[in-house]
Amino acid sequence: NAGVTQTPKFQVLKTGQSMTLQCAQDMNHNSMYWYRQDPGMGLRLIYYSASEGTTDKGEVPNGYNVSRLNKREFSLRLESAAPSQTSVYFCASRSTYREQFFGPGTRLTVL
Amino acid sequence: AQTVTQSQPEMSVQEAETVTLSCTYDTSESDYYLFWYKQPPSRQMILVIRQEAYKQQNATENRFSVNFQKAAKSFSLKISDSQLGDAAMYFCAYRDDKLIFGTGTRLQVFP
Repeated sequence: NAGVTQTPKFQVLKTGQSMTLQCAQDMNHNSMYWYRQDPGMGLRLIYYSASEGTTDKGEVPNGYNVSRLNKREFSLRLESAAPSQTSVYFCASRSTYREQFFGPGTRLTVL
Repeated sequence: AQTVTQSQPEMSVQEAETVTLSCTYDTSESDYYLFWYKQPPSRQMILVIRQEAYKQQNATENRFSVNFQKAAKSFSLKISDSQLGDAAMYFCAYRDDKLIFGTGTRLQVFP
């Protein structure tokens, strides 16, 4: 099992560019999440998906959109990147035992 | 609002000694989960231990144990027989669906 995978690992964008972060899990989990981590802070929830076909906003959703493509995949899209979106992005999925499993993270820099 | 507070930005411990990391949280709910996650320099988020609020018994995982005080809303992590590999950021987190993280404690382990 690969667990939770994320692509890309690193990305540099210019202000105004768009991009999609990809996430996939092979553990058959229903719930998936996108978090961001900024220096000196813990992770903050951007969006989540409790099940295939549903998505909901988290604490910091502005500037992002998500798609739950199927049970395995949950993507995060930045339509018009801003420097304030420079961060490390983590995808996670939650097991029936309540534990969240995290991907390795994507370091995004917006110039 | 639900919040998680880690008041120790940095802690240090000597190898083989014991260290305790503090965490407090604020909630009006009675049933919830609490977690400690470890984040080494690789950035990977690793679950260390979890506690169900309805269980009075403190959780233990090998050298890691918690002191859960529900009335005081306190959830500290004790690491016994510290090892060099324990050096990392440690995050306390509350809930299980939409995790709320503290700001983290950086643990240094000296030989």
